[in-house]
Amino acid sequence: DTGVSQDPRHKITKRGQNVTFRCDPISEHNRLYWYRQTLGQGPEFLTYFQNEAQLEKSRLLSDRFSAERPKGSFSTLEIQRTEQGDSAMYLCASSLTFQGANTDTQYFGPGTRLTVL
Amino acid sequence: GQNIDQPTEMTATEGAIVQINCTYQTSGFNGLFWYQQHAGEAPTFLSYNVLDGLEEKGRFSSFLSRSKGYSYLLLKELQMKDSASYLCAVVDSNYQLIWGAGTKLIIKP
Repeated sequence: DTGVSQDPRHKITKRGQNVTFRCDPISEHNRLYWYRQTLGQGPEFLTYFQNEAQLEKSRLLSDRFSAERPKGSFSTLEIQRTEQGDSAMYLCASSLTFQGANTDTQYFGPGTRLTVL
Repeated sequence: GQNIDQPTEMTATEGAIVQINCTYQTSGFNGLFWYQQHAGEAPTFLSYNVLDGLEEKGRFSSFLSRSKGYSYLLLKELQMKDSASYLCAVVDSNYQLIWGAGTKLIIKP
């Protein structure tokens, strides 16, 4: 399977704990995105990387959230001191963008469903 | 502010045709995507429009009118497996995707 993969698929944690999610993009893709989605809503942008550089972070992303893509391949999203409001589906997407082109088609992974008790 | 409007829910009959509308007001426009999302799964790419007109891809077609800030997704010969949410997303002037809340499509036999 050469699609986007995410791990774990489900995570249940207690409030106040830290959690980390992993995303492996399609191998030749240079862009990687993180989104959060709650029931009945569209994906909410969190951050994105071009290769290893984090180019943009949503203003909605609190300082409890941090993302890395150290070698320009897989990425991790960490949430510290989780709150019940963090319960959501966390989606990762990747895309291939060419020099001079800014609009790319994003391909999504299966998501990690986080439940904070 | 930026806004994407889609109907919350639609119902259609197996074998029929359904049109899902999307209107948008965004800061700039660099294209519009339609994605399909089955319950509990990730969105999957359906179509991308950047120029006015109709793009046909099998049973699915997508239309765009930039002057009207309007798009629709047309699904023909509906099958039960088409029951899903359909998400409209616009690429704004910063090349960010602005997502609608999605339209839940229910197909009845």
